[in-house]
This record gives sequence, structure tokens and C-alpha cells, in this order.
Amino acid sequence: GESVGLHLPTLSVQEGDNSIINCAYSNSASDYFIWYKQESGKGPQFIIDIRSNMDKRQGQRVTVLLNKTVKHLSLQIAATQPGDSAVYFCAENRGFQKLVFGTGTRLLVSP
Amino acid sequence: DAGITQSPRHKVTETGTPVTLRCHQTENHRYMYWYRQDPGHGLRLIHYSYGVKDTDKGEVSDGYSVSRSKTEDFLLTLESATSSQTSVYFCAISEDISNQPQHFGDGTRLSIL
Repeated sequence: GESVGLHLPTLSVQEGDNSIINCAYSNSASDYFIWYKQESGKGPQFIIDIRSNMDKRQGQRVTVLLNKTVKHLSLQIAATQPGDSAVYFCAENRGFQKLVFGTGTRLLVSP
Repeated sequence: DAGITQSPRHKVTETGTPVTLRCHQTENHRYMYWYRQDPGHGLRLIHYSYGVKDTDKGEVSDGYSVSRSKTEDFLLTLESATSSQTSVYFCAISEDISNQPQHFGDGTRLSIL
């Protein structure tokens, strides 16, 4: 069935390490992907996006990689900090107003 | 942060009562959305609006109605609340229909007893 999922529900890292959060999607027609960060008690916060005509996009300390061949998306966070602790969602745009969200990965950063 | 205000932030009510949640934006974005977030599920779209008085259903619209009389305000109404509607509700806005991210408010935690 159609789904946007994550391989790991919880990822624990040490401060200063690089973090990689993965996401699988199943709809090959999806053309736009977004990563969100959600802290406890708050709404999802936009981190970075990527269109299907790109393989990689970089932001400040974050990089998103898109592999359309295997329908896989990843978010890399460099030099992870305690403030990065949160739940991270990927979302795929399947067309007119249909943004489908994954259930999220919890990132825990220990000092 | 996107200028999105949701009210109330918390509400407890009883089954069968009507409930209205409000989303107010200061960004003048055309598109507004209501989602619910439940454990084990990703955010699920309830209704969305693509302009004043223009709305459409999402995947979990049963039991909910919406209204948008001004660009800046989008209301979500539960006509007769049920316990299954206990959830956290998020409003989102976007400039464009696709290829632009949606930006979210901080949510309303609704408990129906």
C-alpha cells in the first residue's frame, strides 16, 4: 500500500556526531519532499525541502538526499547538538494538496 | 516563525457538545489546512482552504466542518464532539498549492470526555 515510513523510530547519538534519519516512500509520482522537526508541545517546523529533479540539497548543518531509484529520502544533521533533539518527519507531496506525512523518528542527543 | 496563532491551545469538553477551533494567520497566504495528530499516525488532513469561502475535504473529514470568511481566519468545527475526536489539531498555511512547504501553528490539544 501507499505509505511514507521511517526505518528507525528512535535514534540516539552523542553530541557532535552526525545524524542520519531515513525515510522510505512508495509513490514514484511524488515530486516534492519536505523534512520537518517537531519539539514537544509545538507544531512541526520546516527544515528543508527537495524537488524530485534534485538528488541533494544542503542547508545550514542539514543535507537532504533523495534516491528516486529506491524511493528513499534521508536527512543528515552535521555536528548534532542537544537542541536537535526532537521528532523528525518526512512528508511527500503526491499532487494537489495531498501532503502525506510519516509517523516520525525521535532523535535523542546526549551530551 | 510563520505568523500562525491557534486558539484555544487546550480545551476539555464533553461528548455531544459543539467545539470550534480557530486559526489566524498574518502572512496573507492563500492556502490553509487543518490536520489532526494521533499516536501511531502521521499528520492527517481534515479539511483545507484555497481561498475565502473555498474549502475542500481531506482524508479524515467526517464529523468536521470548516469555514473561511476572511483570508486570515480558518475555523474548524466539531458539530457534536465524540471521544474519537480527542487529538492534537494543527493548522498550517502555505503560499502555493505545491512545491512550497506548509508552515504550522503550535496546535490545540482537545480532550473530549
